[in-house]
Amino acid sequence: EDQVTQSPEALRLQEGESSSLNCSYTVSGLRGLFWYRQDPGKGPEFLFTLYSAGEEKEKERLKATLTKKESFLHITAPKPEDSATYLCAVRASSSNTGKLIFGQGTTLQVKP
Amino acid sequence: KAGVTQTPRYLIKTRGQQVTLSCSPISGHRSVSWYQQTPGQGLQFLFEYFSETQRNKGNFPGRFSGRQFSNSRSEMNVSTLELGDSALYLCASSEHRDRSYTEAFFGQGTRLTVV
Repeated sequence: EDQVTQSPEALRLQEGESSSLNCSYTVSGLRGLFWYRQDPGKGPEFLFTLYSAGEEKEKERLKATLTKKESFLHITAPKPEDSATYLCAVRASSSNTGKLIFGQGTTLQVKP
Repeated sequence: KAGVTQTPRYLIKTRGQQVTLSCSPISGHRSVSWYQQTPGQGLQFLFEYFSETQRNKGNFPGRFSGRQFSNSRSEMNVSTLELGDSALYLCASSEHRDRSYTEAFFGQGTRLTVV
């Protein structure tokens, strides 16, 4: 069964304290791993797509990496405005559709 | 380009009623997917439509249905509402090219409260 697990569930950081969020996946044929940011009461905002092991993407203080079993979202010197829930999702070749399978998310709080 | 638009943003319905939610995808996107988000279950896939055809369906009862129109706009309907249907309903659109799907972009969601 295709599955996505994110850890930790919640993370509190001081402003400037770098850390990483983990996304472990089990999928029958990966057709993309996606990172989203979600603010309370809003829809997920697309951040990155990764397709193959070794791939990396960067945007401002965020960097996403991918291995054959997991992905990491590295946050460098976070600011309070980075506080949000970060969602990881995969698309599997078994469905051959646009369906995304989501993890439960990591809620990040960055304190000034 | 305009983003994914969902209407209405908020709804309050009574148990037993039915509800219809609407989604306008990004221009040019023919794939529209619907998700239910609750605190306990997270984001759960409901169904996907592509070129007016349902291509995939999640593990939800038959009370949940949808359709897509020729302009790619989509609607989802929930009949005989139950308290447990209270959730944020999200619509996402994607392009389909080179036999694969691109990243999905989400709307702001419709917050449904069943009382």
